[in-house]
Amino acid sequence: QKEVEQNSGPLSVPEGAIASLNCTYSDRGSQSFFWYRQYSGKSPELIMSIYSNGDKEDGRFTAQLNKASQYVSLLIRDSQPSDSATYLCAVSGTYKYIFGTGTRLKVLA
Amino acid sequence: DTGVSQDPRHKITKRGQNVTFRCDPISEHNRLYWYRQTLGQGPEFLTYFQNEAQLEKSRLLSDRFSAERPKGSFSTLEIQRTEQGDSAMYLCASSLRSGTTDTQYFGPGTRLTVL
Repeated sequence: QKEVEQNSGPLSVPEGAIASLNCTYSDRGSQSFFWYRQYSGKSPELIMSIYSNGDKEDGRFTAQLNKASQYVSLLIRDSQPSDSATYLCAVSGTYKYIFGTGTRLKVLA
Repeated sequence: DTGVSQDPRHKITKRGQNVTFRCDPISEHNRLYWYRQTLGQGPEFLTYFQNEAQLEKSRLLSDRFSAERPKGSFSTLEIQRTEQGDSAMYLCASSLRSGTTDTQYFGPGTRLTVL
């Protein structure tokens, strides 16, 4: 079992729709959870961090964490073509991050 | 631009050559990380420094790889006797632990191609 699992996609959504990206993790001791966006050929760019159960909103992005189910998700509202990228979920205990393989999102104009 | 810089951005080398990459973290960050990313995969942890001390080195890092952070500021990652399997994007990240949070910011990466 991989430590952090994501559906590789591609996930295709029409412009203006809500994109829902999911991630599960295996280490119950994980404390910190992050979503990064990565455009092709570029490095990961931090979108959201979340540390406690529940929802955290930042603009069009909402991160959701459920530690009991070992599940973290990212919702992107009013998706734009510029949101087309790979979204990486990262999970951390004390310092190093464990990344999933990423979900490729395509927002269709 | 996160404030983390890496040099060079691209490196093409022949198998068997040595290469060295440099990372300059955000100035007040005391933690520095190296990751490697291959196509279709997420970044994989290689090594971690807190100030100048190297506190963990992944099993992925063979003895051909060495990293230093001599004065707790910039870091170098050297690969000796490169192999084609070393071709990847090498990412540096830095962070400043604050309470229980430790958010890593990535540099632009160095793309290594071994011919």
